[in-house]
Amino acid sequence: GQNIDQPTEMTATEGAIVQINCTYQTSGFNGLFWYQQHAGEAPTFLSYNVLDGLEEKGRFSSFLSRSKGYSYLLLKELQMKDSASYLCAVKDSNYQLIWGAGTKLIIKP
Amino acid sequence: TAGITQAPTSQILAAGRSMTLRCTQDMRHNAMYWYRQDLGLGLRLIHYSNTAGTTGKGEVPDGYSVSRANTDDFPLTLASAVPSQTSVYFCASSDSGASTGELFFGEGSRLTVL
Repeated sequence: GQNIDQPTEMTATEGAIVQINCTYQTSGFNGLFWYQQHAGEAPTFLSYNVLDGLEEKGRFSSFLSRSKGYSYLLLKELQMKDSASYLCAVKDSNYQLIWGAGTKLIIKP
Repeated sequence: TAGITQAPTSQILAAGRSMTLRCTQDMRHNAMYWYRQDLGLGLRLIHYSNTAGTTGKGEVPDGYSVSRANTDDFPLTLASAVPSQTSVYFCASSDSGASTGELFFGEGSRLTVL
């Protein structure tokens, strides 16, 4: 079966750095997405990786290793507004998105 | 810019009643999707449409139906609601020809079936 694994919850301190990991086992691979979802709101797109390596976008970076079935989202200079759930999703060989359950990130002052 | 509009925002429904969740997008995206989101589970695809006039079943289609008469609208119908359909429903769209093809989501419809 297809599977996306992420930690259920993480806690970090304002101003610090946090890394949220995602491992996947899917039938084929056509890209990996990270979305941010604040409580009670819709998911919003953060990043997309289709080739190995690091993609940097401001305070957020996303890394992909296709051979290891692994990605991480790196958040720097954490702010209270970064408290949210972070969803990892993989596009499989049929171009359908397989979603992880999400990682709830709690930022403490 | 409206993006994707869902209605209603929330609804309480008696079991056995029918309900249609409405979804409209103004981005001229070819693909549209309906997901449900339940605590502790990832987003699960109910139905999708790759282009107007076509629809397909997702991971959890039972008890739901959709139609795609035009590009903009993609309603989701529950013919006879059951308590297990209590969930938050998200409509989404994408331009599948774009380089990333990311999904754009509506604000969600919270449905409670009693």
